[in-house]
Amino acid sequence: DAGVIQSPRHEVTEMGQEVTLRCKPISGHNSLFWYRQTMMRGLELLIYFNNNVPIDDSGMPEDRFSAKMPNASFSTLKIQPSEPRDSAVYFCASSLGSSGSEQFFGPGTRLTVL
Amino acid sequence: GQNIDQPTEMTATEGAIVQINCTYQTSGFNGLFWYQQHAGEAPTFLSYNVLDGLEEKGRFSSFLSRSKGYSYLLLKELQMKDSASYLCAVRSLVVSSGSARQLTFGSGTQLTVLP
Repeated sequence: DAGVIQSPRHEVTEMGQEVTLRCKPISGHNSLFWYRQTMMRGLELLIYFNNNVPIDDSGMPEDRFSAKMPNASFSTLKIQPSEPRDSAVYFCASSLGSSGSEQFFGPGTRLTVL
Repeated sequence: GQNIDQPTEMTATEGAIVQINCTYQTSGFNGLFWYQQHAGEAPTFLSYNVLDGLEEKGRFSSFLSRSKGYSYLLLKELQMKDSASYLCAVRSLVVSSGSARQLTFGSGTQLTVLP
């Protein structure tokens, strides 16, 4: 099993540009999570999908952030327009079933907005 | 809302035992997790407690007291490779969405193991 796959691994962009982060969950997992991690705020849940449906997006910072899950094997997190304060590591994680006991994390995308 | 507290930093010696505490306040408690995160890497799962008591897995054990809102992670026979951040995370039910569950992470405890 390849585990959770994220791309790109690193992204450097200029303020105002659109950024799209991609995630492929583990096959068969029906829950997908997007997290953001910074030194100041630690690991924060941004949005959570169950069976491709967004369940809780209360962690999405503002309207500049949007996430989609068009099918069970792919999700995107988009930031438009990006700002320097969005610089962070963005993790995608997936878990299996209603028990959802363990989340498997992808390697993360390190985003730097100049 | 949810509130999770754990010490920011701890230091211990190789071969020793260390206990990392976590206290939490949450509604709809549905389990507590411990994750390990090495610098520059993703978090990896260590343990899960949903009932009171001790769960043992090799050198690592985790304890939960739901009435006290308290958990600890116990690491025995410390090794240098155990130097990492240890994240306590609480799962709660998202009431508005029926059985859906949400995981909230503490800030992490940075453990340094010295030779």
